[in-house]
Amino acid sequence: GAVVSQHPSRVICKSGTSVKIECRSLDFQATTMFWYRQFPKQSLMLMATSNEGSKATYEQGVEKDKFLINHASLTLSTLTVTSAHPEDSSFYICSARDFSGGSSYEQYFGPGTRLTVT
Amino acid sequence: GQNIDQPTEMTATEGAIVQINCTYQTSGFNGLFWYQQHAGEAPTFLSYNVLDGLEEKGRFSSFLSRSKGYSYLLLKELQMKDSASYLCAALQGGKLIFGQGTELSVKP
Repeated sequence: GAVVSQHPSRVICKSGTSVKIECRSLDFQATTMFWYRQFPKQSLMLMATSNEGSKATYEQGVEKDKFLINHASLTLSTLTVTSAHPEDSSFYICSARDFSGGSSYEQYFGPGTRLTVT
Repeated sequence: GQNIDQPTEMTATEGAIVQINCTYQTSGFNGLFWYQQHAGEAPTFLSYNVLDGLEEKGRFSSFLSRSKGYSYLLLKELQMKDSASYLCAALQGGKLIFGQGTELSVKP
């Protein structure tokens, strides 16, 4: 089945620093990847849609200069949280869509990255 | 606009049946997903409905009524491991819009 990995699984950083999170589709090519964040006891909120070879599309209210997304290849998208602050502490989850067969609407989720900013 | 509602939490007994409801109001609707999520983990796919009716898959079934903007997830023969959050998500323009999730607690 389609597998999506994320790295790192957990990261703790100091306020003001930047953190990069990687999302990889391991056994399929993903022209589109999605980035979500999830606060405790809340649901997933879509942050941005990442398309290979083009600029990401950000949801309303998400600062594109703070959350930098790069989809450099068909199997890798990265999210960089710049100048992180404690309120950026959250669970970040990526997903990827596999257009090669079956349902083109199904998204496969990565295991998530727990970011804590101190 | 978009609005997806589901109960915040539910409790059920091991071996019983539970139904988790979801109502939605979205433009450009392309189908309804249900996901299961255990704490600290990523969501896992349970079902996808695009046409009206009931889809059965083992102990889990999902129903959709597009005219009513309504879906439910039915879990039969509940097991302790079914304790998790269940997320309803509407597909809109290629994007998933999630409800707040229903925290299900299965008691012995």
